[in-house]
Amino acid sequence: ETGVTQSPTHLIKTRGQQVTLRCSSQSGHNTVSWYQQALGQGPQFIFQYYREEENGRGNFPPRFSGLQFPNYSSELNVNALELDDSALYLCASSTKAGGDYEQYFGPGTRLTVT
Amino acid sequence: ELKVEQNPLFLSMQEGKNYTIYCNYSTTSDRLYWYRQDPGKSLESLFVLLSNGAVKQEGRLMASLDTKARLSTLHITAAVHDLSATYFCAVDKAGGATNKLIFGTGTLLAIQP
Repeated sequence: ETGVTQSPTHLIKTRGQQVTLRCSSQSGHNTVSWYQQALGQGPQFIFQYYREEENGRGNFPPRFSGLQFPNYSSELNVNALELDDSALYLCASSTKAGGDYEQYFGPGTRLTVT
Repeated sequence: ELKVEQNPLFLSMQEGKNYTIYCNYSTTSDRLYWYRQDPGKSLESLFVLLSNGAVKQEGRLMASLDTKARLSTLHITAAVHDLSATYFCAVDKAGGATNKLIFGTGTLLAIQP
């Protein structure tokens, strides 16, 4: 069974640019959530995708957007990058949406904005 | 709004000693998680606590949940250097439409030989 994978591992971007991060969910999982973890803080929920639709969103501006594909993999897109967007971005998948289903985290993508 | 607080934020301890990390949350939650995170790495799931009075143990770590007090504890017994890491608790509302985890601030545990 393949776990959650993310790409790339590390990324350096310049302020104002756009970035796309990718996540492949664990086999059998149809729900993907994205979290942002700034240095020294706990992860913050960005949004969740269930069956290709957004299913809940945290307190993040619209320049954070996402997609989920028919194979349940997902992308996180961030436009107009700001220095504060520098963080570890974690993807998590679960069997279904809803609080009864445990999330399994991927290795993360470290984004640095200069 | 659900809030999660951990204390202490930083804990330096010697090998062989016992200590407890505390996790308080502000509103009713039916599911509590403990994670370990090594520097620059992702989250490793340690425990899932589902009901009041739940207690789980794995090696030198033991977690418990008191839903009435909205409190969970992570107890470290006879600490060893390999347990040095940041520990997070997180809560979720079982039965909701979105499984959104709310994380605590984390406890950085440094175990000195």
